[in-house]
Amino acid sequence: EVQLVQSGAEVKKPGESLKISCKGSGYSFTSYWIGWVRQMPGKGLEWMGIIYPGDSDTRYSPSFQGQVTISADKSISTAYLQWSSLKASDTAMYYCARREYMDVWGKGTTVTVSS
Amino acid sequence: DIQMTQSPSSLSASVGDRVTITCRASQGISNYLAWFQQKPGKAPKSLIYAASSLQSGVPSKFSGSGSGTDFTLTISSLQPEDFATYYCQQYNSYPPTFGGGTKVEIK
Repeated sequence: EVQLVQSGAEVKKPGESLKISCKGSGYSFTSYWIGWVRQMPGKGLEWMGIIYPGDSDTRYSPSFQGQVTISADKSISTAYLQWSSLKASDTAMYYCARREYMDVWGKGTTVTVSS
Repeated sequence: DIQMTQSPSSLSASVGDRVTITCRASQGISNYLAWFQQKPGKAPKSLIYAASSLQSGVPSKFSGSGSGTDFTLTISSLQPEDFATYYCQQYNSYPPTFGGGTKVEIK
């Protein structure tokens, strides 16, 4: 079964750093793009960026470029989304999904940033 | 960025109704269009890709059509489990963009 398993909920303070993960299983992790999507409370879906674990080719939405870093460790079939300095406005649910057309989704990681 | 406009933003329908949701792209995207269903507190679920290809395991009551700038998602006979929010997404060009969503509620 193809699965994406995301890391658990995080509660952080403004200015802190964070790295959340998305582990793929049941398929060839290096052969499919993994994308990240933000959903702020009560709002719609926002595409953040995408990585091809096979060669680490990474694309960002202009809205998120410079705000987050997407990476992958193909040796452990895991993609990452990280922040160097969180803001309260980063409070949201973050999903990873496979392929450009997002056929398989993780269950999401809730990130809460509050002082 | 390509803008994706869904209509309506919400609708009320009864069990058994045929429901159609429209998605319009601000420029042509060929058939690089996906549809998702999201229930409260859950991750989105892929329904359709390439505008009209049904994702594995998705019931045939869901269908998609369109090409270029205008697309539709149709639910042939609405069932209680179909009440949810539906999103379209273009993946023709970077950055991929989502529509604002259509909330399907019980009448």
